[in-house]
Amino acid sequence: QKEVEQNSGPLSVPEGAIASLNCTYSDRGSQSFFWYRQYSGKSPELIMSIYSNGDKEDGRFTAQLNKASQYVSLLIRDSQPSDSATYLCAVNPSGSARQLTFGSGTQLTVLP
Amino acid sequence: EPEVTQTPSHQVTQMGQEVILRCVPISNHLYFYWYRQILGQKVEFLVSFYNNEISEKSEIFDDQFSVERPDGSNFTLKIRSTKLEDSAMYFCARGPSGQETQYFGPGTRLLVL
Repeated sequence: QKEVEQNSGPLSVPEGAIASLNCTYSDRGSQSFFWYRQYSGKSPELIMSIYSNGDKEDGRFTAQLNKASQYVSLLIRDSQPSDSATYLCAVNPSGSARQLTFGSGTQLTVLP
Repeated sequence: EPEVTQTPSHQVTQMGQEVILRCVPISNHLYFYWYRQILGQKVEFLVSFYNNEISEKSEIFDDQFSVERPDGSNFTLKIRSTKLEDSAMYFCARGPSGQETQYFGPGTRLLVL
């Protein structure tokens, strides 16, 4: 079973702080990694994709990938109350064309 | 990125009935996916559809489920003889050619009574 694990939270940070979200995956052959944001009752919204080891920045978001440790993270700088949502880590496992395996998500609350 | 649209937004059905969920792509992508999310649980992959054929399917996607693109535009998920445990949000997603990213539609909330 190819698993994706996330701390369920809730994670609370004050407005303006850095929020750090973590994800580990069991399939060492995985090559593609994604972060989605999901507001309550809504569909997942793609934030970032990352395919290579290292950091990838997009605005206030930075994704970090370490394939040796089977670890992917998302940093949100200058967190805003509107960032309050559940953040889903998704992985395209090896042997799969394009299906995504999702973690259970981390609930983030940004306190004003 | 524009999303796909999904209809209906909500569907209530009786156990044992057939339901058809529809997905209408806004742009001309070749890859389509169906996922479901039972309340409070993970998003789960059901099936991927490429160039009008099933590309992959999960263990969840058993004989009760089928997908098709009847008119070359709409993309449908049919659930025959629904069960109580089929109650979930069903998401259609699309993927641009040459990319692995997937963009989700707003979903259909299915309630089986």
